[in-house]
Amino acid sequence: AQSVTQPDIHITVSEGASLELRCNYSYGATPYLFWYVQSPGQGLQLLLKYFSGDTLVQGIKGFEAEFKRSQSSFNLRKPSVHWSDAAEYFCAVGAQRGGADGLTFGKGTHLIIQP
Amino acid sequence: DSGVTQTPKHLITATGQRVTLRCSPRSGDLSVYWYQQSLDQGLQFLIQYYNGEERAKGNILERFSAQQFPDLHSELNLSSLELGDSALYFCASSRGPGGATDTQYFGPGTRLTVL
Repeated sequence: AQSVTQPDIHITVSEGASLELRCNYSYGATPYLFWYVQSPGQGLQLLLKYFSGDTLVQGIKGFEAEFKRSQSSFNLRKPSVHWSDAAEYFCAVGAQRGGADGLTFGKGTHLIIQP
Repeated sequence: DSGVTQTPKHLITATGQRVTLRCSPRSGDLSVYWYQQSLDQGLQFLIQYYNGEERAKGNILERFSAQQFPDLHSELNLSSLELGDSALYFCASSRGPGGATDTQYFGPGTRLTVL
């Protein structure tokens, strides 16, 4: 069965500093990978997704993620965070065919931005 | 705003009761997914409907059921409620029958509190 691990429950970053959120997955084949963000009281918004091809994926709000098959990782990065980036971030893996399993999410990483 | 609507926003009820959560997908989307987000289990996929038919099942309890109507809105029915059912319930929709290339858009969620 597929699984996702986000090792960091909380991360605190100063505004303007760079950010990297870690995500490791377990999946039997080439995974489809996603990062979602959840702001307080809001639903989940898709930041970016990886299906195939270029392993560096650009998303919205200045985020990017890199798929590394050898490390089973899909880490999310941003060169300079803004106070509005404070939120919960979820990494997810999707079934390769048919979507029959829905999305499997990690437990999330809570991002705190220090002024 | 993802275009997915969920009602009600909040629901408070007692153990043993039954509730219905409603979801309207984005215009043109044929799939509806239900997820449960709780502190201990995180985000878990419950069930998916595509064009009125059940397409995939995740960790949905037997006390829970769902359906998708001809106008494509969906309802999640939770019965014999227990304290542990308190959670945020998300609905998501996608254009096609699923698969990771079929991006899921999430609604704002319904927060269920069982007392």
